[in-house]
Amino acid sequence: NAGVTQTPKFRILKIGQSMTLQCTQDMNHNYMYWYRQDPGMGLKLIYYSVGAGITDKGEVPNGYNVSRSTTEDFPLRLELAAPSQTSVYFCASSQSISRPRSGAYNEQFFGPGTRLTVL
Amino acid sequence: AQRVTQPEKLLSVFKGAPVELKCNYSYSGSPELFWYVQYSRQRLQLLLRHISRESIKGFTADLNKGETSFHLKKPFAQEEDSAMYYCALSPGGTSGSRLTFGEGTQLTVNP
Repeated sequence: NAGVTQTPKFRILKIGQSMTLQCTQDMNHNYMYWYRQDPGMGLKLIYYSVGAGITDKGEVPNGYNVSRSTTEDFPLRLELAAPSQTSVYFCASSQSISRPRSGAYNEQFFGPGTRLTVL
Repeated sequence: AQRVTQPEKLLSVFKGAPVELKCNYSYSGSPELFWYVQYSRQRLQLLLRHISRESIKGFTADLNKGETSFHLKKPFAQEEDSAMYYCALSPGGTSGSRLTFGEGTQLTVNP
């Protein structure tokens, strides 16, 4: 299993350009997430999906779009890149496991990240 | 809205010394709390979660609902523990739910 893979690893964009960050997981997980991490800050949720065809906004969705046409793929689209979108982007996936005593168990598995710079 | 606070951005200890990474949270319900770790050149990965009450790599964390804290502790730090540690919260009872992360603490264990 490759787990969660992300492409590209690095990218430099000019202001106003668009691009798609790719994310694929081979663990058959229902849930997928996109986070961004700014320097010295924690991860902030951009968008998430609970299954194919279902997406929802996270904490910082402005300037981004997502789609989930398959279980495996969850691409993140930047339509008009802005310097404020310079960040490291992480994709993650999880599969809820219900346990009778301890309740739902939700471990998220992360990709290696994409470092994006907008100039 | 939920919030996770890690008051120390940097923490440095010597090998063999005890270490405690602080985490405080605010949430009105009963959350699930986690510690994630990122070693150099590796992916972010789950270290432990409060529900399982387990010890991983010598680390433990106890959820204190009265103080709304979930501090990570290890009695004898090792050099290989040097990493970035994130405390995270998930609303309890909701499967596959979103995580709110703290800002992280960079732990350095010196020889």
